[in-house]
Amino acid sequence: QQPVQSPQAVILREGEDAVINCSSSKALYSVHWYRQKHGEAPVFLMILLKGGEQKGHEKISASFNEKKQQSSLYLTASQLSYSGTYFCGTEMRRGGADGLTFGKGTHLIIQP
Amino acid sequence: DAGVIQSPRHEVTEMGQEVTLRCKPISGHDYLFWYRQTMMRGLELLIYFNNNVPIDDSGMPEDRFSAKMPNASFSTLKIQPSEPRDSAVYFCASSTGTEAFFGQGTRLTVV
Repeated sequence: QQPVQSPQAVILREGEDAVINCSSSKALYSVHWYRQKHGEAPVFLMILLKGGEQKGHEKISASFNEKKQQSSLYLTASQLSYSGTYFCGTEMRRGGADGLTFGKGTHLIIQP
Repeated sequence: DAGVIQSPRHEVTEMGQEVTLRCKPISGHDYLFWYRQTMMRGLELLIYFNNNVPIDDSGMPEDRFSAKMPNASFSTLKIQPSEPRDSAVYFCASSTGTEAFFGQGTRLTVV
């Protein structure tokens, strides 16, 4: 079951904040966030585990509401380098046992 | 470590031909995933292996697709015969069970 991401696209000025949402209709074990720049491979940003554990990026934070099966990625004081497509990937069982199911992505454009 | 290595980076082939994509995962990673990315469908999981054993191939679109992992350092994804709708970027990724590291992908064009 593919998670649903919103919004589909965001255009910001440098320094502004952005929130990207990811929701699933299934109970989740974890949510992963990746960023992909044009023509490149997705790069890991953050993982949020059931129970509240987080591992990830210094300047990017995220939340995981287990009851609602929703996650949000917070990009504060955005920089030009934040531009790209952000994907959430979800797992229903621990430890990569499912493989990640990715949402369709959120395109983020940061303008100077 | 050089990361996940995929070859070739680009492949153009004629409809009906056999295509083989190759992947070398990061040493020590016991999970290997094959994904396909298109504009319409996004990133789709095709198949994944754990300790060289295929665990879930439910994402493989048709019998024309097959994947093998003969050892811990090598995997192949084969399409035979290829069709224009197989055109996409194919990514291989490896992990130890948490974050996945992606290769640079193979851009496949079937004409």
